[in-house]
Amino acid sequence: QSVVTQPPSVSAAPGQKVAISCSGSSSNIEKNHISWYQQFPGTAPKVLIYDNNKRPSGIPDRFSASRSGTSATLDITGLQTGDEADYHCVVWDSILSSWVFGGGTKLTVL
Amino acid sequence: QVHLQESGPGLVKPSQTLSLTCTVSGDSVSSGSYFWSWIRQPAGKGLEWIGRISPTGSTRYNPFLKSRLTISADTSKNQISLKLTSVTAADTAVYYCAGGPNIGDDYFWFDPWGQGTLVTVAS
Repeated sequence: QSVVTQPPSVSAAPGQKVAISCSGSSSNIEKNHISWYQQFPGTAPKVLIYDNNKRPSGIPDRFSASRSGTSATLDITGLQTGDEADYHCVVWDSILSSWVFGGGTKLTVL
Repeated sequence: QVHLQESGPGLVKPSQTLSLTCTVSGDSVSSGSYFWSWIRQPAGKGLEWIGRISPTGSTRYNPFLKSRLTISADTSKNQISLKLTSVTAADTAVYYCAGGPNIGDDYFWFDPWGQGTLVTVAS
């Protein structure tokens, strides 16, 4: 059981909105910086969100993120078939003194 | 633009040592711009942080791997290396190196990433 958990899969129709959760605890999500990554099959992850809610240049504003207490959420609006990928959250855990990844969430755009 | 390229044997026998190299281009490993991490991903599973080396050469390791792990830097070759001893099938994964932008002598995300290299532990 990972200290940070994500749903294994989510799905939604094109044009709709989806939320991917990342649940942790007071030793990680509640107090430390969270980042989110998009990963297509056979490729390396790519940063989508850093510092909890900031987008690197080139990332569309359809991608946004927020944090509340011990949980964080990645929101994707205006879903496109090209958004089908795995999404990962990662955060520093102050008790483990280690980065901890959520297990990843597979997004299917129906 | 910083580019990372992992290399090393694709097959390692159980109980032996896994050795990988990450060659950095576009920046110096000791410039201070990045912390350098290794991250792995077993097939069909999530990502796992292995450890990191700072621009000054200090290391920090995943506590679950610490006893088997060494990460080092070769500034003359501009490379970061990973050595993991006493491997088992559970160490079979795609191994990535990744840079963490140095923000106030710390780092908070991973970018860029190398393309990854598959290491299989089998006899």
